[in-house]
Amino acid sequence: EPEVTQTPSHQVTQMGQEVILRCVPISNHLYFYWYRQILGQKVEFLVSFYNNEISEKSEIFDDQFSVERPDGSNFTLKIRSTKLEDSAMYFCASSSVFSGANVLTFGAGSRLTVL
Amino acid sequence: DQQVKQNSPSLSVQEGRISILNCDYTNSMFDYFLWYKKYPAEGPTFLISISSIKDKNEDGRFTVFLNKSAKHLSLHIVPSQPGDSAVYFCAKGGSEKLVFGKGTKLTVNP
Repeated sequence: EPEVTQTPSHQVTQMGQEVILRCVPISNHLYFYWYRQILGQKVEFLVSFYNNEISEKSEIFDDQFSVERPDGSNFTLKIRSTKLEDSAMYFCASSSVFSGANVLTFGAGSRLTVL
Repeated sequence: DQQVKQNSPSLSVQEGRISILNCDYTNSMFDYFLWYKKYPAEGPTFLISISSIKDKNEDGRFTVFLNKSAKHLSLHIVPSQPGDSAVYFCAKGGSEKLVFGKGTKLTVNP
């Protein structure tokens, strides 16, 4: 069964450092997403991406965050200068079409720990 | 703005019995609700959805009921199995993004 893969599974970084989280969405999917889950809290939407541009972003997704699809297969989330409160599980997701229930397929997540 | 609310953080049931997970919503403008299951150290996995034109959708042991007048939906799992132990999220869908509730941790005891 096709799956979304994410790397790294866990990254520890110092506050102020740049972090890049990588995702390989399902190959025939067109819509890409990043969500995050701070420990004990709900899964929160960060950003959606379609046709090589951001289609929607949340208030969380400020200027410190950026997304890119550099080569047609990878989808990356960059945090320019990490803060302690960025520590969370980051989930990449993709979907094939924006219609009906719009079922998203999620990756296993990348755990980011900011010290 | 909590559009989707799951007021029970946890639920414990015996194997073989029915599990009922509840979800309330505040905004009537929706097309679909979805339920996802999440195991520790894994991403959310889609379970079942329901459209606004239906009251019920069934898939094997999983049934979702929608009560539009009460703005309430529920997920029934019967019979419950130990492997169903996970966190269950309801989500408002039918638009580009999903809006998740806080989740309910289900524990099915053997």
